[in-house]
Amino acid sequence: KAGVTQTPRYLIKTRGQQVTLSCSPISGHRSVSWYQQTPGQGLQFLFEYFSETQRNKGNFPGRFSGRQFSNSRSEMNVSTLELGDSALYLCASSPGTGYSGNTIYFGEGSWLTVV
Amino acid sequence: AQSVTQLGSHVSVSEGALVLLRCNYSSSVPPYLFWYVQYPNQGLQLLLKYTTGATLVKGINGFEAEFKKSETSFHLTKPSAHMSDAAEYFCAVSDRSTGNQFYFGTGTSLTVIP
Repeated sequence: KAGVTQTPRYLIKTRGQQVTLSCSPISGHRSVSWYQQTPGQGLQFLFEYFSETQRNKGNFPGRFSGRQFSNSRSEMNVSTLELGDSALYLCASSPGTGYSGNTIYFGEGSWLTVV
Repeated sequence: AQSVTQLGSHVSVSEGALVLLRCNYSSSVPPYLFWYVQYPNQGLQLLLKYTTGATLVKGINGFEAEFKKSETSFHLTKPSAHMSDAAEYFCAVSDRSTGNQFYFGTGTSLTVIP
């Protein structure tokens, strides 16, 4: 079974631009969550989607948004990029049925550099 | 909100020595507990998890962890370190109120000395 796939793997953007990152979950997984990883802040939860609905949201500004499609694929968007948005963005998928200690499975991430 | 503390951002052990990575959590209700490993330029891979039942949990690559409720700890151990164990290790928790929202520790970088 294929794992979580994230595209693109690497990208460089200019401050003020916007970026869209894509995530394809493991087949059959309906929950997709996004995390930001930086050396200073570690791994921080952005949001989780389940069946096209945002189920949980972390403490990030409104510039960070996401969506999920009917095939469970997800995208996240960051508008008006700031230098501090440079990070590894990780997508994780889970079967998502209920809250009983589900494991989340990570993709390899998208490295975003803002210059 | 949950918080996870990993004591020691860097740990060095000799090849063949015991690996002990510490994790403590703060939670008013017993959480679900996880250890993940991250190799350079890769995502996180699950090592093991505790949800319920036996408090000593065995994972992949010879790792195990013990849930101690009285100490709010979930330390990761491996009897004999291998060079391939060099990586970043993250402890994480979730619970029934947060579902698939995980809270991660700041990570411990493990170096294995030949």
